[in-house]
Amino acid sequence: DGGITQSPKYLFRKEGQNVTLSCEQNLNHDAMYWYRQDPGQGLRLIYYSQIVNDFQKGDIAEGYSVSREKKESFPLTVTSAQKNPTAFYLCASSIGWGDHEQFFGPGTRLTVL
Amino acid sequence: DQQVKQNSPSLSVQEGRISILNCDYTNSMFDYFLWYKKYPAEGPTFLISISSIKDKNEDGRFTVFLNKSAKHLSLHIVPSQPGDSAVYFCAASAFDNDMRFGAGTRLTVKP
Repeated sequence: DGGITQSPKYLFRKEGQNVTLSCEQNLNHDAMYWYRQDPGQGLRLIYYSQIVNDFQKGDIAEGYSVSREKKESFPLTVTSAQKNPTAFYLCASSIGWGDHEQFFGPGTRLTVL
Repeated sequence: DQQVKQNSPSLSVQEGRISILNCDYTNSMFDYFLWYKKYPAEGPTFLISISSIKDKNEDGRFTVFLNKSAKHLSLHIVPSQPGDSAVYFCAASAFDNDMRFGAGTRLTVKP
């Protein structure tokens, strides 16, 4: 059963702590993405990876970091440098960078206490 | 800078009637447009798309219309069903595949 999984579904963090959000896909997709959704706004691109061992900053990369050591995995770390980290985070993948259709995971809601 | 706008945060229609969801964009370089549907506690799923070389694309009950001169696209759902109740996101991408999303419209279809 192919798809994208994100864990955990809900995450609480104390201010000043780093936290890593998991994203795994078994679709054999080359490209992966991280988006952030805030109320009343569209999805905003944080980071993307066109292929394993490569990643690029999106529109709002400050305070975030990623790695792409395996094709299946694209974890996102929200660092203490991110000023407003409370949001809904969505991971997505596509067959390749040129493919428009993206497949999304169920998302992780991060709350900073 | 919101390049893709969905000005109606919500829409309510009666079952069996037509639902029309609208989306406006500002970047004339966008050449591919998509609609995604999102249920609560799930990620968005692809619904339908249209390339800028077309002005209409149909898939069953769903039709997307593109008006390039007005930089406007719309999604028509006919007939609407209660299971269509969800948040619908409009998205657009240019040649560099950088996709931009609207804020979404919550559709409620009443039985």
